[in-house]
Amino acid sequence: AQSVAQPEDQVNVAEGNPLTVKCTYSVSGNPYLFWYVQYPNRGLQFLLKYITGDNLVKGSYGFEAEFNKSQTSFHLKKPSALVSDSALYFCAVRDISSGSARQLTFGSGTQLTVLP
Amino acid sequence: DAMVIQNPRYQVTQFGKPVTLSCSQTLNHNVMYWYQQKSSQAPKLLFHYYDKDFNNEADTPDNFQSRRPNTSFCFLDIRSPGLGDAAMYLCATSRSGTGDAYEQYFGPGTRLTVT
Repeated sequence: AQSVAQPEDQVNVAEGNPLTVKCTYSVSGNPYLFWYVQYPNRGLQFLLKYITGDNLVKGSYGFEAEFNKSQTSFHLKKPSALVSDSALYFCAVRDISSGSARQLTFGSGTQLTVLP
Repeated sequence: DAMVIQNPRYQVTQFGKPVTLSCSQTLNHNVMYWYQQKSSQAPKLLFHYYDKDFNNEADTPDNFQSRRPNTSFCFLDIRSPGLGDAAMYLCATSRSGTGDAYEQYFGPGTRLTVT
């Protein structure tokens, strides 16, 4: 079975400060990990993914995430937050050894608010 | 621009009255998904098509059906909507290949209200 946890429902950060949105996962095999962002009344938008290789993944809009196998984490980061980054963020995992290889499991989401 | 399109964006239906939501894509992806999302919760996968092969999630109610007449289009049919079916319905597509490392592309969603 695969699962993902986002321990914080809400993260507040001041504009210009670094931001981190946390994600931990559980899979029986090796994971594919994804971050998506959702703005109000919109679909999810892909930010970045980890498949293999370099543990630091860079994505859209200046976001990056670090894969840490020993801590089973994939935290989303940005060096300098913008007010426009305020949105709902979802971490997702796929266990590549699972029979349901195409099924993504999403975390519960973290609402990021960047304060001006 | 290639994209995933959902129509309508907002749909109001009456309790028990069948409703169909549509999704089209210009990405030529072979996998299409339908998700249900309530109140900013995590999207819940209802089913997906791998080409023409239909894959239903074990806990998807029988009230929900889907059709994929061709690569570009996919429909979600709710045969007898209940108040609990009010939600945002998200369509997504992806390529598929070895290991399925591909990300999903989401449409803007259809917000369904049941009165």
